[in-house]
Amino acid sequence: NAGVTQTPKFQVLKTGQSMTLQCAQDMNHNSMYWYRQDPGMGLRLIYYSASEGTTDKGEVPNGYNVSRLNKREFSLRLESAAPSQTSVYFCASGVEGDTEAFFGQGTRLTVV
Amino acid sequence: GENVEQHPSTLSVQEGDSAVIKCTYSDSASNYFPWYKQELGKRPQLIIDIRSNVGEKKDQRIAVTLNKTAKHFSLHITETQPEDSAVYFCAAFSSNTGKLIFGQGTTLQVKP
Repeated sequence: NAGVTQTPKFQVLKTGQSMTLQCAQDMNHNSMYWYRQDPGMGLRLIYYSASEGTTDKGEVPNGYNVSRLNKREFSLRLESAAPSQTSVYFCASGVEGDTEAFFGQGTRLTVV
Repeated sequence: GENVEQHPSTLSVQEGDSAVIKCTYSDSASNYFPWYKQELGKRPQLIIDIRSNVGEKKDQRIAVTLNKTAKHFSLHITETQPEDSAVYFCAAFSSNTGKLIFGQGTTLQVKP
């Protein structure tokens, strides 16, 4: 079992470029999340998916889009990257929302 | 909207002392309260959780208490050890919205 796998681990983008962060879990979980982590701000929820076929906005959705491609995969897209999106991004999944969430290893994104 | 406030942001204790971290939440529909530990450069990992129908839960040196009326919950670590040094996050899951919202984090330093 790989658990929750995120790709890439590191990325540098220029302002205005687009990219997709990939997340896949092999635990047959229903719920999946995307968070960003910034110093002093904790983990802020960007988007989440309570089940396959559904997605909802979290606390900080502006500038992002998501796709729950199937039960395993939940991708995060930045259409036009901005320096304010420089952060560490974590994907997480859980059986349901009110059970343990397992995190991926994170993606460190720098927008210059 | 939903909000989780966590205090203090930093906490320094001597080895062997106790540490207490407190969180408050705003959504009365919250029913699941996990605590995560994040070591430097690693992903967050669950250390203990509590559900809304329980007032207290203990696991060896760590315990969590929940006061639903006051909407606050706390993490207690006794007999702290240097390896307890990390960032700790509280979170609250709302059965209403399906969101898992995290607090801002507490950096715990245990001095030998």
